[in-house]
Amino acid sequence: EAGVAQSPRYKIIEKRQSVAFWCNPISGHATLYWYQQILGQGPKLLIQFQNNGVVDDSQLPKDRFSAERLKGVDSTLKIQPAKLEDSAVYLCASSPGWGAGNTIYFGEGSWLTVV
Amino acid sequence: EDKVVQSPLSLVVHEGDTVTLNCSYEVTNFRSLLWYKQEKKAPTFLFMLTSSGIEKKSGRLSSILDKKELFSILNITATQTGDSAVYLCAVSFGVSSNTGKLIFGQGTTLQVKP
Repeated sequence: EAGVAQSPRYKIIEKRQSVAFWCNPISGHATLYWYQQILGQGPKLLIQFQNNGVVDDSQLPKDRFSAERLKGVDSTLKIQPAKLEDSAVYLCASSPGWGAGNTIYFGEGSWLTVV
Repeated sequence: EDKVVQSPLSLVVHEGDTVTLNCSYEVTNFRSLLWYKQEKKAPTFLFMLTSSGIEKKSGRLSSILDKKELFSILNITATQTGDSAVYLCAVSFGVSSNTGKLIFGQGTTLQVKP
């Protein structure tokens, strides 16, 4: 079974530039998550989709971050304009649905460095 | 405020030692607690716990949940250098089947020396 695919794996940009990350979840998984993980910290949820609807985006900095999952399958996370503090790993994860019995599977992450 | 707290934040042991990692939580409408191992890549799933007092085991790793005291422990016996990683605890919670959340603790960094 193919895992969660993310690209690009690594990106270096200057502050105020924009960047986009792509995620393709495991086939058939209805729930998709984007997490931000800053070095030395645990992952922080940015946004959660159930199919193509947003379930939770309370911690997404909406002035600069946006995400979409138009067809309920793959998703894009965009940052514009980037700040130095956005340097982090952006992890995409998916699960079959939601509930106590669902395990969440992570992609390899997209490592962003803002200089 | 919903939160997950792990301790210790870091730990250095020697091969063969036994370690216990702790995770406490405060959330509304708890659903499950998950443990992940993270090396220099994405977190990989270890255990999911939903019921108190039932130990889950996988090789040298085991974990148990106490829903009354709101904590879980992850034990690793006979540690090996390959166990060196960040161990993340996460808690899923929510009021309905479609609006749950999953939040993570800060992680415990384990270093196993030869």
